[in-house]
Amino acid sequence: EDQVTQSPEALRLQEGESSSLNCSYTVSGLRGLFWYRQDPGKGPEFLFTLYSAGEEKEKERLKATLTKKESFLHITAPKPEDSATYLCAVRGYGQNFVFGPGTRLSVLP
Amino acid sequence: ETGVTQTPRHLVMGMTNKKSLKCEQHLGHNAMYWYKQSAKKPLELMFVYNFKEQTENNSVPSRFSPECPNSSHLFLHLHTLQPEDSALYLCASSQDMESGDEQYFGPGTRLTVT
Repeated sequence: EDQVTQSPEALRLQEGESSSLNCSYTVSGLRGLFWYRQDPGKGPEFLFTLYSAGEEKEKERLKATLTKKESFLHITAPKPEDSATYLCAVRGYGQNFVFGPGTRLSVLP
Repeated sequence: ETGVTQTPRHLVMGMTNKKSLKCEQHLGHNAMYWYKQSAKKPLELMFVYNFKEQTENNSVPSRFSPECPNSSHLFLHLHTLQPEDSALYLCASSQDMESGDEQYFGPGTRLTVT
């Protein structure tokens, strides 16, 4: 059975303090690993898709990386507007999307 | 309109009411999904439609009834709900069930059952 765990559950950073969020997964044949950002009361907003180990993608202060067992979302010099819950999801061959519980990020000014 | 839209955005209903949630996607996708998101729980997949055919019913109670008249529209019909059904209901779409492409989500319907 495909599974996704995320750590930490919650993270509090000072503005400008870089850090990383972890997504660990088990899947029978990875078709894609996805990162989303979700603000309270809103739908998840798509950030990145990673398809194979070694792949990296960047967008503004965010960088996502992928290995065969986990993915990291690196946040460089975060700002208060980066505060949100970050969700990781995977999809295996012939399977539906499986989401992790999320990491709740707070960036303090 | 662009992306995925959902109506209504907020809904309060009694346990004996019947209501429907609507989702529309403007992305040319062929797969559509309903998710339930409760406080402090991961997203729960409810139903999946691929090219208008239901491919997944994730042990959802019969008081939730989906309908997909075409690839752009998805409905969730609700009747005799329970208070524990109060949650954020999210619609999503993706290219199809065969590719590894990402899902795009709507803003959600906040449902409160009284």
